[in-house]
Amino acid sequence: EPEVTQTPSHQVTQMGQEVILRCVPISNHLYFYWYRQILGQKVEFLVSFYNNEISEKSEIFDDQFSVERPDGSNFTLKIRSTKLEDSAMYFCASSQQGITGELFFGEGSRLTVL
Amino acid sequence: KQEVTQIPAALSVPEGENLVLNCSFTDSAIYNLQWFRQDPGKGLTSLLLIQSSQREQTSGRLNASLDKSSGRSTLYIAASQPGDSATYLCAVLPSGANNLFFGTGTRLTVIP
Repeated sequence: EPEVTQTPSHQVTQMGQEVILRCVPISNHLYFYWYRQILGQKVEFLVSFYNNEISEKSEIFDDQFSVERPDGSNFTLKIRSTKLEDSAMYFCASSQQGITGELFFGEGSRLTVL
Repeated sequence: KQEVTQIPAALSVPEGENLVLNCSFTDSAIYNLQWFRQDPGKGLTSLLLIQSSQREQTSGRLNASLDKSSGRSTLYIAASQPGDSATYLCAVLPSGANNLFFGTGTRLTVIP
């Protein structure tokens, strides 16, 4: 069964460093999303991406964050100058129909900022 | 802003018992509601998606209902098994919105 895959599964970084989280969405999906979950808190929306551009972003998704689809298969989230409060599980999701259809999530990338 | 609440936060039941998980949302203007399962340290697995025009959806031992006017959804799990132990999240898509609003989840433990 097709699935969304994310790498790395866990990354530890020093405060101030840049990290790139990678996602391979399901191949025939056109809509891509990043969500995050800080330990013990709700899953929160970060950004949605369609047709090679951001379609919506939350208040959390400020200039520190960026997304890119560098090729036909990967979808990346870059976090510049990481802060302690960026420590969270980051989930990538994809959908064939967009937000009104079923979202398929990856296993997540756990980011720990020291 | 849509707020999604799930009660109880944790639930422990003996194997074989039928159970109900609750989800409530503050704004009834929703497009759909989705139930997810999350195993510890893992991603989200979609269980059921209910459109706003639907009253319920069924998949195997799972049945989700939606009462949009009262802002409530329930997930019914029949004949629970230890393998059902996980956190169950509901997520609401408000009408006109482009992102899901999640609840904090109910952590279910099914005791063998």
